Amino acid sequence: SQQGEEDPQALSIQEGENATMNCSYKTSINNLQWYRQNSGRGLVHLILIRSNEREKHSGRLRVTLDTSKKSSSLLITASRAADTASYFCATDAGGGGADGLTFGKGTHLIIQP
Amino acid sequence: DAGVIQSPRHEVTEMGQEVTLRCKPISGHNSLFWYRQTMMRGLELLIYFNNNVPIDDSGMPEDRFSAKMPNASFSTLKIQPSEPRDSAVYFCASRRATEAFFGQGTRLTVV
Repeated sequence: SQQGEEDPQALSIQEGENATMNCSYKTSINNLQWYRQNSGRGLVHLILIRSNEREKHSGRLRVTLDTSKKSSSLLITASRAADTASYFCATDAGGGGADGLTFGKGTHLIIQP
Repeated sequence: DAGVIQSPRHEVTEMGQEVTLRCKPISGHNSLFWYRQTMMRGLELLIYFNNNVPIDDSGMPEDRFSAKMPNASFSTLKIQPSEPRDSAVYFCASRRATEAFFGQGTRLTVV
């Protein structure tokens, strides 16, 4: 069963604009991760935020986590055409890799040049 | 490291045939996951192993599906008999701690 649910399902913006994607989940987590998938390829890890963190940055990526609302957001600033991909959040209940990693259905992001 | 290696990349088979998908995880990773991706259902966790032991196979859709991990460097996902609704992209992923590394997937088409 799906744990995370991304919103929106699809997003189309102009190059240079910021893109925001949201993720809601249902159960307690140890950490939440965001992945990217280019068409026809496997998923690639982008960033991880732990349950005791509220915000994290990595380059043009900014992730927030609100455990009281069981939600997270991924912000991509100054978007580029190469950012076109599907983005997934994944919830991780454990901390040592011994638990399953459950993904949402993803947000398909299209950056218009 | 070559990353997670899956084979074959593409498989077309007739309904009723047995299909075996293969995965070689990254060396040193102790967890391995099998996922199925479709437009309708998204990315579904089928089964995962920790230290070669199946931990949770509740995502395996039916008894037609089975997975094995005979050693730390190899896993298989078998579908017998296959059905058209099994058509999907099947991903294998491995990890040592938190970040999962995915293979390129096997695109399965059952006709």
